[in-house]
Amino acid sequence: GQQVMQIPQYQHVQEGEDFTTYCNSSTTLSNIQWYKQRPGGHPVFLIQLVKSGEVKKQKRLTFQFGEAKKNSSLHITATQTTDVGTYFCAGRHNDYKLSFGAGTTVTVRA
Amino acid sequence: DTGVSQDPRHKITKRGQNVTFRCDPISEHNRLYWYRQTLGQGPEFLTYFQNEAQLEKSRLLSDRFSAERPKGSFSTLEIQRTEQGDSAMYLCASSLGFSGSPDTQYFGPGTRLTVL
Repeated sequence: GQQVMQIPQYQHVQEGEDFTTYCNSSTTLSNIQWYKQRPGGHPVFLIQLVKSGEVKKQKRLTFQFGEAKKNSSLHITATQTTDVGTYFCAGRHNDYKLSFGAGTTVTVRA
Repeated sequence: DTGVSQDPRHKITKRGQNVTFRCDPISEHNRLYWYRQTLGQGPEFLTYFQNEAQLEKSRLLSDRFSAERPKGSFSTLEIQRTEQGDSAMYLCASSLGFSGSPDTQYFGPGTRLTVL
């Protein structure tokens, strides 16, 4: 089974609002990656976090890696219809293997 | 486009038949991964190759599944005697594969298998 838990499973957002999705691992991660999958598509790499407490921004998206390297979050501000999709976190426990969360599926009300 | 490619994109088969999928990774990538994704779930790791060597297989990969990467370039995933529970999206990913460094995986478009 998956070792990475992700919440919430679904996020229904009014256009223009902010939201956050959270990712938690039972064990310390070497790094964490975030992917976005559009309906009918495949996971597309967004970003990778490596350092404890690291924060990275991509336009309206802010990614954070926890101090203990066991949790991460993705915060999206001013949600747009183009943000629709499923956001996955994927934790790396060793040199190569990624454990994906179940994803947060985002829908946007215009 | 020099991204990861997979063939076929869709496969419909009858229970008991064998199927084979192909993955062509990004050309300079040493590592190749196979994942399976079912509806509402994230990708689940199946197996991975470092060049031509298959270095790990998940317990999800029953004896009916076999993967090869004979020349360290493209890879094939074969499922023998398919079962309805094999219906899923099969995703391939590749990465540069430098040990000790963050190693981003890039995914292909997937092969959607439907077993009737």
